[in-house]
Amino acid sequence: DQQVKQNSPSLSVQEGRISILNCDYTNSMFDYFLWYKKYPAEGPTFLISISSIKDKNEDGRFTVFLNKSAKHLSLHIVPSQPGDSAVYFCAAITGNQFYFGTGTSLTVIP
Amino acid sequence: DAGVIQSPRHEVTEMGQEVTLRCKPISGHNSLFWYRQTMMRGLELLIYFNNNVPIDDSGMPEDRFSAKMPNASFSTLKIQPSEPRDSAVYFCASSWDRIQPQHFGDGTRLSIL
Repeated sequence: DQQVKQNSPSLSVQEGRISILNCDYTNSMFDYFLWYKKYPAEGPTFLISISSIKDKNEDGRFTVFLNKSAKHLSLHIVPSQPGDSAVYFCAAITGNQFYFGTGTSLTVIP
Repeated sequence: DAGVIQSPRHEVTEMGQEVTLRCKPISGHNSLFWYRQTMMRGLELLIYFNNNVPIDDSGMPEDRFSAKMPNASFSTLKIQPSEPRDSAVYFCASSWDRIQPQHFGDGTRLSIL
């Protein structure tokens, strides 16, 4: 069973607009969440993270929001750039368990 | 600074053969992870080592899979015998500790015919 779900396999956004990628989870024991970006033929690279004691973390154009009551995580990219086109994975950690979503493919249209 | 190095990048072999995937983590990282990526299930954790000791191997699919970390700079993932359903991209990652961001290698694309 998928404890971390990314229900949108793909997303297209115009350059300069906001990209919102979503992630839902089922385990309330997760204590740390991360987003990774992946280009074809490469491994995922770390983007941004958030602890479960926070509800927002910002790093430049990237902001992650955590809604614990809804068990929902989102990544906002503002403004979106063509170089942001990639697959984005959310990940969650509890104890020694690490779970990744299936990914959302973002295409930023110039 | 070299990242996580995996070899081979591609492996094509026949069903029943032994397959060995290799990983060199980033120097100084004490946590090492093996993942398998498929379209249906995304990235699945197979095994997690801390200080060369396997901490959680509950993700290893079955006894055909085994992983070792003989020292801090090398790990292997072995499949014996291999089956077509093992075809996937296998990633190795390392980090400073369990909640620090993981650094991934570029993966091994494994095809079992």
